[in-house]
Amino acid sequence: AQKITQTQPGMFVQEKEAVTLDCTYDTSDPSYGLFWYKQPSSGEMIFLIYQGSYDQQNATEGRYSLNFQKARKSANLVISASQLGDSAMYFCAMRLGGYQKVTFGTGTKLQVIP
Amino acid sequence: EAQVTQNPRYLITVTGKKLTVTCSQNMNHEYMSWYRQDPGLGLRQIYYSMNVEVTDKGDVPEGYKVSRKEKRNFPLILESPSPNQTSLYFCASRADYNSPLHFGNGTRLTVT
Repeated sequence: AQKITQTQPGMFVQEKEAVTLDCTYDTSDPSYGLFWYKQPSSGEMIFLIYQGSYDQQNATEGRYSLNFQKARKSANLVISASQLGDSAMYFCAMRLGGYQKVTFGTGTKLQVIP
Repeated sequence: EAQVTQNPRYLITVTGKKLTVTCSQNMNHEYMSWYRQDPGLGLRQIYYSMNVEVTDKGDVPEGYKVSRKEKRNFPLILESPSPNQTSLYFCASRADYNSPLHFGNGTRLTVT
């Protein structure tokens, strides 16, 4: 069965510094997609970035980049130049195959310190 | 505006009293899904639907029912709620398997 693991329950980062949030996954399916979502204290789920298993380059969206290491089965989120508004829960998620279920990790709570 | 709308946002009920949480999307998405979020457990999928009249169980379907009679609506039904169903519930939809999930704003349910 597919599995997503986020080993960092909580992290602190200084404002303006870069931070890496870890995500590892386990699947034998060659076709899959990896997503990162942000959940601020207000509760809504915000999509950040997507990486497909066949994508040759690491995905980037503004200050967010996804460090995709297929052989290691890791899909870490890198946030550059952290801002106070980045303080939130971050979830990694994986979609297998076609229209099947999307599985989420347990999340990492990031706190940005001024 | 493209959105997924859930109602109600907050609900307090008693054990055994049937309830329905509504979910509607205006993006013509075929895929819709329900999740529950609990501290330390992340989001766990309850049910999903790939199209009208097509639904399937997720990881935690016990105690829940769904229906998909129209493309835009995907209600979550708790026929006999219990305190262990106290949670934050999200409805989501997506355009295709490479697209991200669009989430509703969540429904915080408390069962006493």
